[in-house]
Amino acid sequence: QVHLVQSGAEVKKHGASVTISCKTSGYTFTEFFMHWVRQAPGQRPEWMGWVNPANGDTGYSVKFQGRISFTRDTSANTAYMGLYRLTAEDTAVYFCARINALPHRYDLDYWGQGTLVTVSS
Amino acid sequence: DIVMSQSPLSLAVTPGEPASISCRTSQSLLYSNGDNYLHWYLQKPGQSPQLLVYLGSNRALGVPDRFSGSGSGTYFTLEISRVEAEDVGVYYCMHTVETPYTFGQGTKLEI
Repeated sequence: QVHLVQSGAEVKKHGASVTISCKTSGYTFTEFFMHWVRQAPGQRPEWMGWVNPANGDTGYSVKFQGRISFTRDTSANTAYMGLYRLTAEDTAVYFCARINALPHRYDLDYWGQGTLVTVSS
Repeated sequence: DIVMSQSPLSLAVTPGEPASISCRTSQSLLYSNGDNYLHWYLQKPGQSPQLLVYLGSNRALGVPDRFSGSGSGTYFTLEISRVEAEDVGVYYCMHTVETPYTFGQGTKLEI
């Protein structure tokens, strides 16, 4: 069965950086793009971008360009999200989610459990 | 960006009764292949969103058949034929027709 397991909660200072990992199992890591979504307290989810685990190609939401980075380690079947120059507005739960791009699909079908990032001043 | 608007924002339902949630989008989600790139999720308290319906009307694996999705273009509906206690949470519609993907504001279902 497919599992996406994320790293634990983080508390960061204003201006710092954070890296979150998303370890996958139960499927071939390189065959499905990984997306990242965040959700601020009481808000709707917000899409951040994607990484192609097969070759490392990435696509970022314009909102985060310049201070976000997606990477992956194919030997560990793990995707990573780095977010830099944090502010209080980055306090949120961050999710990794696999996109199922098989024919007649195109949905985020499996999600990690979420990682809470709290940014304090 | 495509704007997703859900209604109602909250819903109180008696167990066994039906419920309906709508999602209206600012642009058509109908792709050239005939699929509508609209999906429904349920987020239970403290959990990640779980997929209920993909491409407008297809139930995800393991989702009870009391859930059904319909619609096309810019208007979609999620219906629960007989609500059960385990259905409480926030329901979101989401599109994947183009980036950035966006979500509706959510509909909170209470018993």
